[in-house]
Amino acid sequence: GENVEQHPSTLSVQEGDSAVIKCTYSDSASNYFPWYKQELGKGPQLIIDIRSNVGEKKDQRIAVTLNKTAKHFSLHITETQPEDSAVYFCAASRQRDDKIIFGKGTRLHILP
Amino acid sequence: GAVVSQHPSWVICKSGTSVKIECRSLDFQATTMFWYRQFPKQSLMLMATSNEGSKATYEQGVEKDKFLINHASLTLSTLTVTSAHPEDSSFYICSAEIPSGTQYFGPGTRLTVL
Repeated sequence: GENVEQHPSTLSVQEGDSAVIKCTYSDSASNYFPWYKQELGKGPQLIIDIRSNVGEKKDQRIAVTLNKTAKHFSLHITETQPEDSAVYFCAASRQRDDKIIFGKGTRLHILP
Repeated sequence: GAVVSQHPSWVICKSGTSVKIECRSLDFQATTMFWYRQFPKQSLMLMATSNEGSKATYEQGVEKDKFLINHASLTLSTLTVTSAHPEDSSFYICSAEIPSGTQYFGPGTRLTVL
């Protein structure tokens, strides 16, 4: 089955700097890669996703890149702000109705 | 984005009682919903996949007789924790899938069993 590895587990970044979180997956059939942000005591919130027919996607300060050959994808947050502090999860899925496999999460701290 | 609600947001119950958690897709219909549990500082663990009008598919190690799932309509799935014990205390989160395959999550339900 699919296995998603996520690094780092904790990341501290100075406010205004960029943050990068990296994930790898094992199942070459996976074709959908969402990223979720979870704040304390809340459910995960979808922040961006990418499908395997696209190499990069950007939404304001957030971007995701996908390298299908290497089976890895990354989340990039630029100009970080205090409200970006949260736990971020990457995930992979093969198709609709199929379960999403989550990484173990990255706790992002934005330092003032 | 699509909105998913859960009720209640938190519940405290005595050991041995049953607790029902509702998951609703508010502005879309979802033929497939998912139930997860999450322990502190850990990732989400899929418990079961709930399909409208059919029996849920449980992940390995999840007791189907203890965690009863009902998906009676395209906007509502329920999870009932039967004969709850302290080790069932956790954060339970549901998600609902839109036609493109994207999953949107509810706000979660914190269950504390005394």
